[in-house]
Amino acid sequence: ETGVTQTPRHLVMGMTNKKSLKCEQHLGHNAMYWYKQSAKKPLELMFVYNFKEQTENNSVPSRFSPECPNSSHLFLHLHTLQPEDSALYLCASSQDGLAGIRTDTQYFGPGTRLTVL
Amino acid sequence: KNQVEQSPQSLIILEGKNCTLQCNYTVSPFSNLRWYKQDTGRGPVSLTIMTFSENTKSNGRYTATLDADTKQSSLHITASQLSDSASYICVAYYGGSQGNLIFGKGTKLSVKP
Repeated sequence: ETGVTQTPRHLVMGMTNKKSLKCEQHLGHNAMYWYKQSAKKPLELMFVYNFKEQTENNSVPSRFSPECPNSSHLFLHLHTLQPEDSALYLCASSQDGLAGIRTDTQYFGPGTRLTVL
Repeated sequence: KNQVEQSPQSLIILEGKNCTLQCNYTVSPFSNLRWYKQDTGRGPVSLTIMTFSENTKSNGRYTATLDADTKQSSLHITASQLSDSASYICVAYYGGSQGNLIFGKGTKLSVKP
């Protein structure tokens, strides 16, 4: 295991539902990330948190709302999603957010497989 | 435009055989390049990282090469095993103070007995 856990592993929700994805890292890292992985597409970086502060938001729709209460936990709150949001959502962490994502090795969780009906 | 292209899209080989996966990248300014292995149902795991000055890096049966002039990288797998069946993703890191990264679509490798 990589030291990064994600729950739930699978989630099915309707377009009017509100749900949250949870990520926890046990590595003592300072930076955490949310990625979206759609079928036959490259991973897309969504959000970056560095020492609990959001440092990057890659033009993600507001129906995705991240929250980082401390450097070990990261949430992704979901509301009024669309079917095209169905994907694997991956969380990752890296040691030193000060160095930026240029040099850090990222450790990924197993992902949450999301299906929006 | 910054981009990473991988080939082939998928590959089937017999157990014990060698194979080579390709990655062409166009990013600027280049920082480093990594190969990740992603097993089905799991997140990616880093295999190698290479900076501009490195042209070969090994990790067990995995050997990555980097040609910074042609902006090409390859991942060579020696004596393949069934457990090598996975997607292999090339990631190019680039940019200034904080930097950025761009992922390839991956090569799906299937190793058959």
